[in-house]
Amino acid sequence: DAKTTQPNSMESNEEEPVHLPCNHSTISGTDYIHWYRQLPSQGPEYVIHGLTSNVNNRMASLAIAEDRKSSTLILHRATLRDAAVYYCIRGSQGNLIFGKGTKLSVKP
Amino acid sequence: NAGVMQNPRHLVRRRGQEARLRCSPMKGHSHVYWYRQLPEEGLKFMVYLQKENIIDESGMPKERFSAEFPKEGPSILRIQQVVRGDSAAYFCASSPPKGTGELFFGEGSRLTVL
Repeated sequence: DAKTTQPNSMESNEEEPVHLPCNHSTISGTDYIHWYRQLPSQGPEYVIHGLTSNVNNRMASLAIAEDRKSSTLILHRATLRDAAVYYCIRGSQGNLIFGKGTKLSVKP
Repeated sequence: NAGVMQNPRHLVRRRGQEARLRCSPMKGHSHVYWYRQLPEEGLKFMVYLQKENIIDESGMPKERFSAEFPKEGPSILRIQQVVRGDSAAYFCASSPPKGTGELFFGEGSRLTVL
């Protein structure tokens, strides 16, 4: 049980921002929120993670709701290379349970 | 700094044979995780190991599958008497001893059972 809920698929236009939502209403106080993505025929790639505060890195931003029951991964300017399956995962050190993720398509 | 190395990248076995998949974690990483991905599905956790110890094997099938991470050398995922349903991509990930959960994944080993 992944314990997170994501839309099955989303579409975006190249050069536009993308907001990928995730619900994790049963998250515990010690669980981090992790985002990974998987390009076709490749291994998953770490994107970002956070606990309570919003986080930014060179790949994306993570906005975490105040009650921590949901979060949003923000890609500021989508490129064709961002087309992938994006996984939102709640957990701490140890095994991370991947759900089905959101398949992001980017149109030129 | 080399990433997580998995080999072989592709492996073909006939039903009943054994498959051995190897994973060398990133330098300085002492935690290894194995995941399985069936075609068109998400990743399923199998096992979490530290050097010489199995920490969590809750995702491992009860029979035919075993994993080890010896003091020296790579982690090995071993599948005995393979069946067609074992055909999948097997991903290994590693993490440092005191990380916050970030996993570094390898490119995977793709097992095909004929």
